[in-house]
Amino acid sequence: EAGVVQSPRYKIIEKKQPVAFWCNPISGHNTLYWYLQNLGQGPELLIRYENEEAVDDSQLPKDRFSAERLKGVDSTLKIQPAELGDSAVYLCASSLSWTGRNEQFFGPGTRLTVL
Amino acid sequence: GDSVTQMEGPVTLSEEAFLTINCTYTATGYPSLFWYVQYPGEGLQLLLKATKADDKGSNKGFEATYRKETTSFHLEKGSVQVSDSAVYFCALAATGGGNKLTFGTGTQLKVEL
Repeated sequence: EAGVVQSPRYKIIEKKQPVAFWCNPISGHNTLYWYLQNLGQGPELLIRYENEEAVDDSQLPKDRFSAERLKGVDSTLKIQPAELGDSAVYLCASSLSWTGRNEQFFGPGTRLTVL
Repeated sequence: GDSVTQMEGPVTLSEEAFLTINCTYTATGYPSLFWYVQYPGEGLQLLLKATKADDKGSNKGFEATYRKETTSFHLEKGSVQVSDSAVYFCALAATGGGNKLTFGTGTQLKVEL
């Protein structure tokens, strides 16, 4: 069974440019998470989806970040415009559901460098 | 709010040495506790977990016991191998938190021959 797929794996852009990250969760997983991991830090939750609904986006900087999961399967995270401080690894994870402490499975991440 | 504190790295050990990585947490209620491992170039993988006090999680020779009285979940392994070299993250999922994981900063382990 395929794991969580993310693309691209690496992205280098100049500041003020837009960027988008794509995630395809494990088949059948209803819950999808986007995490931000700064260098030398643990991941921090940005947004959680239950099917196509964003049920926890309290940590998402909504002035420049947006996300969507239109059909309740794959998801896109966008930054527009990117700032130098956005350089980090963006992780996607999925789980069967948000109840019962279901195990989260993580993708390899997208490493973003903003110049 | 919820938080996880783990020992800073890097931790460098010789092969077959005993490993301890300390982890303490702050949370209300009864969180579930996890150790995740991140090998170079790969995503986070769940190593072990414990969902209630005094539970012991174990996997691949690693163990951790949920100690509510000391709010700790220390990771141990009796004999490390070079292949255990990775970054280890302690994390919690709070009660009623929608399965949101709160991570520590990670501890890099380097095992040498």
